[in-house]
Amino acid sequence: ELKVEQNPLFLSMQEGKNYTIYCNYSTTSDRLYWYRQDPGKSLESLFVLLSNGAVKQEGRLMASLDTKARLSTLHITAAVHDLSATYFCAGQETSGSRLTFGEGTQLTVNP
Amino acid sequence: GAVVSQHPSRVICKSGTSVKIECRSLDFQATTMFWYRQFPKQSLMLMATSNEGSKATYEQGVEKDKFLINHASLTLSTLTVTSAHPEDSSFYICSAPTGLERGGYTFGSGTRLTVV
Repeated sequence: ELKVEQNPLFLSMQEGKNYTIYCNYSTTSDRLYWYRQDPGKSLESLFVLLSNGAVKQEGRLMASLDTKARLSTLHITAAVHDLSATYFCAGQETSGSRLTFGEGTQLTVNP
Repeated sequence: GAVVSQHPSRVICKSGTSVKIECRSLDFQATTMFWYRQFPKQSLMLMATSNEGSKATYEQGVEKDKFLINHASLTLSTLTVTSAHPEDSSFYICSAPTGLERGGYTFGSGTRLTVV
């Protein structure tokens, strides 16, 4: 059974700083997803990572996948307040199957 | 593309009553729908998987007689919380698999259920 762990669970950072959220998973995962959730809202898709070494970037966020280490990272560059949200990674064992979510990382970017 | 419309967005009901939550796929056919529950400050936990035309598959610990799931068509899946209790108060989210070009999965906007 796939298990997904994120760290840190809480992250408070200053604007302009860089930081990384880590996502470890326990068994082979067909794909790795990153989502953003604002308070009271549903999930917003950020990235889908398909293969070892995959790297995707959108604005100040960059996600990568190392399937050998069973690790994905979400790197935040020069954080701004608008990035404050909860970020989830999720894995799936096979295409179209259920997603298994990490615990989520609550990010607060302070001015 | 690949929009799942979820209604209602918020509902308050009395203990002992039933509440139905609908998820409609607007521009694609959803043969599978995943139903998640999320308590405050927690992650999403899968409750059940519904497949069009067949019985839903429930996760361990989820009462199938309490959380009735129906997936009667390729565009509509419903979750009915029967005899609701305050501990059922939660955020319920549906999700359907889509193509990778659409992000892999699309999520409904969620339903905030409060049982008083």
